Amino acid sequence: EAGVAQSPRYKIIEKRQSVAFWCNPISGHATLYWYQQILGQGPKLLIQFQNNGVVDDSQLPKDRFSAERLKGVDSTLKIQPAKLEDSAVYLCASSGGGQGEDTQYFGPGTRLTVL
Amino acid sequence: AQTVTQSQPEMSVQEAETVTLSCTYDTSESDYYLFWYKQPPSRQMILVIRQEAYKQQNATENRFSVNFQKAAKSFSLKISDSQLGDAAMYFCAYCGGSNYKLTFGKGTLLTVNP
Repeated sequence: EAGVAQSPRYKIIEKRQSVAFWCNPISGHATLYWYQQILGQGPKLLIQFQNNGVVDDSQLPKDRFSAERLKGVDSTLKIQPAKLEDSAVYLCASSGGGQGEDTQYFGPGTRLTVL
Repeated sequence: AQTVTQSQPEMSVQEAETVTLSCTYDTSESDYYLFWYKQPPSRQMILVIRQEAYKQQNATENRFSVNFQKAAKSFSLKISDSQLGDAAMYFCAYCGGSNYKLTFGKGTLLTVNP
C-alpha cells in the first residue's frame, strides 16, 4: 500500500514570495491534515479536511495561508506572501480506512526555507 | 484544551539496553487515544505504538511497550534491547474529540550509543 506522498521535498524562497505544497493521501483515507513543524517542536495542526470539506482550520493564518482539497483526494497548501517565520517542515497526514479515524499516517514532509 | 508534556528533551541509552521515555497529558475527556511517533533525522514521522484509553491492557509492539496510567494521565514508552536504528526524536501525541485532532508534545531526542 502506498503511503502519503508530498512534493516538493524542499523549497527555498524569498520573503513575500508565494509557494504551494501538494499532498496525496493514502488511498481510501477520507481525512487529510496539514501540520506545521517548526525546528525543535512538535507538529501543529493547520487544517483538517473530511473528504473535501474543512473540519478544523482554527490555527490556519488565513491572511496568508490557504488550502483546498478538490474532489476529496489530493490537497494543496499555499502561502502568499511568505514570511521568515514560515520556515518550517510542512507535514501532510491522512486517516481512515481499516485503522479508523484515530490513527494518522504521515508523509515525508516539505522543508520550507524563507530567506 | 488538551496539553501533552514530555519532560525529557534528550535521553541516551546504550545499545541492547532498555530506556523509558515519559509523557503526561491533560484532558477532561474519558474516551481518547494516545500515540508514540518516531521521527528519525530528516525523515518522516512513523507510528510506533497506539493505545486506546478504554483498554486497561498496555499496548505492545515487538520491542516497544507502553505503561498507560489513566488516572495519573501518564503514558510512557519503553524500548527494550535498544538498537542503533532507534535513534530519533520521539513524540507523544493525544487524540480526542469528535474530529480526532492530534496534539503533540515537544519531543524527546533519543541517542543510542554503540
